Amino acid sequence: AQSVTQLGSHVSVSEGALVLLRCNYSSSVPPYLFWYVQYPNQGLQLLLKYTTGATLVKGINGFEAEFKKSETSFHLTKPSAHMSDAAEYFCAVSEGTGGFKTIFGAGTRLFVKA
Amino acid sequence: EPEVTQTPSHQVTQMGQEVILRCVPISNHLYFYWYRQILGQKVEFLVSFYNNEISEKSEIFDDQFSVERPDGSNFTLKIRSTKLEDSAMYFCASIFGNTGELFFGEGSRLTVL
Repeated sequence: AQSVTQLGSHVSVSEGALVLLRCNYSSSVPPYLFWYVQYPNQGLQLLLKYTTGATLVKGINGFEAEFKKSETSFHLTKPSAHMSDAAEYFCAVSEGTGGFKTIFGAGTRLFVKA
Repeated sequence: EPEVTQTPSHQVTQMGQEVILRCVPISNHLYFYWYRQILGQKVEFLVSFYNNEISEKSEIFDDQFSVERPDGSNFTLKIRSTKLEDSAMYFCASIFGNTGELFFGEGSRLTVL
């Protein structure tokens, strides 16, 4: 069965600083991995995804993530935080087959200080 | 750009009442889902639906819940007798299939009093 662990329920960075949100997963088969962002009172929007191929994936708003199979990790980074990045971020895993059931981590709330 | 639409955006109901939440998935998508997010908590999988039947459901999805796709476009979640703990945001999602990427609606907030 799949599972996702996000380290840190809250992360606070200064504007312009590096953003690093950690995600570790477990899956019995090669996973599909996702990061979603949720702004207050809104739905979930896909930031980026890894399915196959290049392990460093780039997404919207300057975010990127690297799939590291040996570490079972898919950490999200952004070189320079912007105030508009303040939101809840969810890492998710799907086994990419069958019903494509996707399991979400508990979420990390990102705060950006001026 | 095609999108998943959900109605109502917010529903308030009394405990014990039946509630139906409606979703219109993206038209060429094949898999449909309901997720739940209790305020401030994680997004929880409820059920997946493919080829007009449930393909998987979680332990949350007990006999009080049901889903159907009555007319080939709408995808509904019914809660027969709501409980206080059913208060949450319910998200509908769909995928085409080969990318695994979920497309979410904006959610329906259910408040049970």
